[in-house]
Amino acid sequence: EAQVTQNPRYLITVTGKKLTVTCSQNMNHEYMSWYRQDPGLGLRQIYYSMNVEVTDKGDVPEGYKVSRKEKRNFPLILESPSPNQTSLYFCASSVDSSNQPQHFGDGTRLSIL
Amino acid sequence: GENVEQHPSTLSVQEGDSAVIKCTYSDSASNYFPWYKQELGKRPQLIIDIRSNVGEKKDQRIAVTLNKTAKHFSLHITETQPEDSAVYFCAVNTGNQFYFGTGTSLTVIP
Repeated sequence: EAQVTQNPRYLITVTGKKLTVTCSQNMNHEYMSWYRQDPGLGLRQIYYSMNVEVTDKGDVPEGYKVSRKEKRNFPLILESPSPNQTSLYFCASSVDSSNQPQHFGDGTRLSIL
Repeated sequence: GENVEQHPSTLSVQEGDSAVIKCTYSDSASNYFPWYKQELGKRPQLIIDIRSNVGEKKDQRIAVTLNKTAKHFSLHITETQPEDSAVYFCAVNTGNQFYFGTGTSLTVIP
């Protein structure tokens, strides 16, 4: 089954404790992306990756890092999380970046105390 | 960057009526315009999309229209049903980035 898998689904942690949210897709998609969703703000793109070893900033990259060492995986790293990063996070992938639908994961709800 | 505005933020319709949601964008280079439906606690799912060389696209009860000159596109849902109740997001692709509207919460009243 074609899917985008995120882990963990829920996480409560404390300020400053490094965390990683994993994202994996099994569709051989080139394009992967991370979004955060906050009430009233819709989805905002954090980082995206066009292919292996190619990543770029989205609209709200501050406080986040990503890597793309393999085509299927695109982890989101919060080196020193802060409470304003409490949010619902979605990973998505598509065949390529232009004119193609994105497939979303089920989301990760992060709470940073 | 791109600026996407979506209206209305909430919309209530009677079952069987039509619903229309509108989005405007600012970057004339934008070339792909998907619409996503998100049910409570679920992930966004694509319901229809349109590319910049097309003015209208229809899929059963759902249609999207695009006016590139005016930089706006709209989602039309006809014969609404209670299962259409959800939050709908428009999105715009500009080169490598996606920009989303702030969402419309649609309630279909039985």
